[in-house]
Amino acid sequence: QQQVKQSPQSLIVQKGGISIINCAYENTAFDYFPWYQQFPGKGPALLIAIRPDVSEKKEGRFTISFNKSAKQFSLHIMDSQPGDSATYFCAARFSGNTGKLIFGQGTTLQVKP
Amino acid sequence: DGGITQSPKYLFRKEGQNVTLSCEQNLNHDAMYWYRQDPGQGLRLIYYSQIVNDFQKGDIAEGYSVSREKKESFPLTVTSAQKNPTAFYLCASSSQLASGETQYFGPGTRLLVL
Repeated sequence: QQQVKQSPQSLIVQKGGISIINCAYENTAFDYFPWYQQFPGKGPALLIAIRPDVSEKKEGRFTISFNKSAKQFSLHIMDSQPGDSATYFCAARFSGNTGKLIFGQGTTLQVKP
Repeated sequence: DGGITQSPKYLFRKEGQNVTLSCEQNLNHDAMYWYRQDPGQGLRLIYYSQIVNDFQKGDIAEGYSVSREKKESFPLTVTSAQKNPTAFYLCASSSQLASGETQYFGPGTRLLVL
């Protein structure tokens, strides 16, 4: 069953607006939470990531907010640009040494000029 | 120029045919992974390998096989037992060191059935 639930499935934002994508997880055995960005026909690329002992991480226009007690984390894209139009995946890594990731179902973001 | 390469970019399979997708990495990563991507379903793990000559099934291994004879190579064979093989296949790798935080992906292979 799906262990990481991502919403919304699609999102349309005006240029300059804030894009917010949410993820929730069930398993407490996760120790690392990356976000990936994928353009059509390309492989996913790591965008930003966070550990559960940190509540927020910011890199440029991208911020992850993490709520450990609620088992939720979200990606905020500030000042969204048309070039940000892509599919975004949240993921959660199992603790231990397998490196296995569980992915959310993805959010297709369209930023309108 | 370090990275992960996948070939071919497009692959066509006939009914009853086995096909092999190539994945090579020069990042000196120990672990390698194969995912299948279908629209609206995210990425699903097919097989993974943490070390040469060893690999484990992922969530959807039926109809697929892999080998890991070299550290830098992790080919995936889609067998005739896989009845719905049309998908985008992604290979990834990661370091097993404590600093190896996450997986890095190749450009993908799109498999189509004729």
